[in-house]
Amino acid sequence: EIVMTQSPATLSVSPGERATLSCRASQSVSSNLAWYQQKPGQAPRLLIYGASTRATGIPARFSGSGSGTEFTLTISSLQSEDFAVYYCQQYNNRVAFGQGTKLEIK
Amino acid sequence: QVQLVQSGAEVKKPGASVKVSCKASGYTFTSYDINWVRQATGQGLEWMGWMNPNSGNTGYAQKFQGRVTMTRNTSISTAYMELSSLRSEDTAVYYCARGDSNVLTGPWGQGTLVTVSS
Repeated sequence: EIVMTQSPATLSVSPGERATLSCRASQSVSSNLAWYQQKPGQAPRLLIYGASTRATGIPARFSGSGSGTEFTLTISSLQSEDFAVYYCQQYNNRVAFGQGTKLEIK
Repeated sequence: QVQLVQSGAEVKKPGASVKVSCKASGYTFTSYDINWVRQATGQGLEWMGWMNPNSGNTGYAQKFQGRVTMTRNTSISTAYMELSSLRSEDTAVYYCARGDSNVLTGPWGQGTLVTVSS
């Protein structure tokens, strides 16, 4: 079973600044990695799949990188609507989510 | 528009079973997988399994093997997730989500709160 570990658990960043979120897999998942955003009281929304491909309608300020076991989600200039919880998910071998990173306003 | 609409909240006693429905509209139901994900209050996302509505093929997370059953009725474009032998730790919001090769592309259902309490 693949275990996904996200860091940090909470990230405090000011609007307009860059946020960098990390995700590590316990074994290689190739590029079969997705990122989701979840706001309070809402279902998650797909942001990135294939480690670096933005989903339909996702702004260009969201970017993903990495392969194998190390992945990064970068939000280049934080907008107020970006403060939320972010989850990574591997789909190389069944499915597993990370525990989430809460992105909060500094 | 493309959407998934789930059944309403449930309250169950320990040891009972619950069956949650997920009705698809706005697209061809048999063309995309349906995944089920749950989330306990204040906790993260937990994948339970997937189903191919066309073939009926399923794949379950190891944790839920033997306790979860995913089915569908293609005539009414509805997927079902049944979880048996409920315990308090199963209290959570259960989501269905349209997927493609296990990427949960969406949409997601609105979530169904299942409460297990004696």
